[in-house]
Amino acid sequence: DQQVKQNSPSLSVQEGRISILNCDYTNSMFDYFLWYKKYPAEGPTFLISISSIKDKNEDGRFTVFLNKSAKHLSLHIVPSQPGDSAVYFCAASSSGSARQLTFGSGTQLTVLP
Amino acid sequence: NAGVMQNPRHLVRRRGQEARLRCSPMKGHSHVYWYRQLPEEGLKFMVYLQKENIIDESGMPKERFSAEFPKEGPSILRIQQVVRGDSAAYFCASSWGRLAGEETQYFGPGTRLLVL
Repeated sequence: DQQVKQNSPSLSVQEGRISILNCDYTNSMFDYFLWYKKYPAEGPTFLISISSIKDKNEDGRFTVFLNKSAKHLSLHIVPSQPGDSAVYFCAASSSGSARQLTFGSGTQLTVLP
Repeated sequence: NAGVMQNPRHLVRRRGQEARLRCSPMKGHSHVYWYRQLPEEGLKFMVYLQKENIIDESGMPKERFSAEFPKEGPSILRIQQVVRGDSAAYFCASSWGRLAGEETQYFGPGTRLLVL
């Protein structure tokens, strides 16, 4: 039972344009959501997070949107840069648990120069 | 380096041997999580520890796997009598705590275990 889903295994975007990565979840107990970026042979790097009491959080080029009624979140990267090419993981946790993260399967983003 | 540290980065073991993976959390962090990424899969939670206590080990296989986080020193994930199916990347993450504003987990570079 996949509680966090990233339905697009890959995404290609032109440099300078917007990248939109999507994530859906099924567990209504999740109240904290994070996006991580991962390069091969490295650990996940934290990018941005959002609490369920908000619907938007912005940090530089990265913005995360949360739609609780649809159980959907998205990560927007504007403008996209070639260095953004990596696998992006969506993750979620709940205060009722030990805060362990449940991850999606990842989306490979390729930003073309 | 104030980040999460893991060693070794790569570990090769033969079937039946023991594997010990170490994790030093970020400075000031007392909460440690271990995750495993099997080939072609996402990261899966294994165990959550605070200093000297296992808080949640619901994701850890019941046999051959154990974890500790002593008062002094790094957290250790121990795999006894390794099998080929244990080959994976093992990631450690740490956080300040579980309350709002403390809960972001930061990851180490991982240990890649290969069982021959």
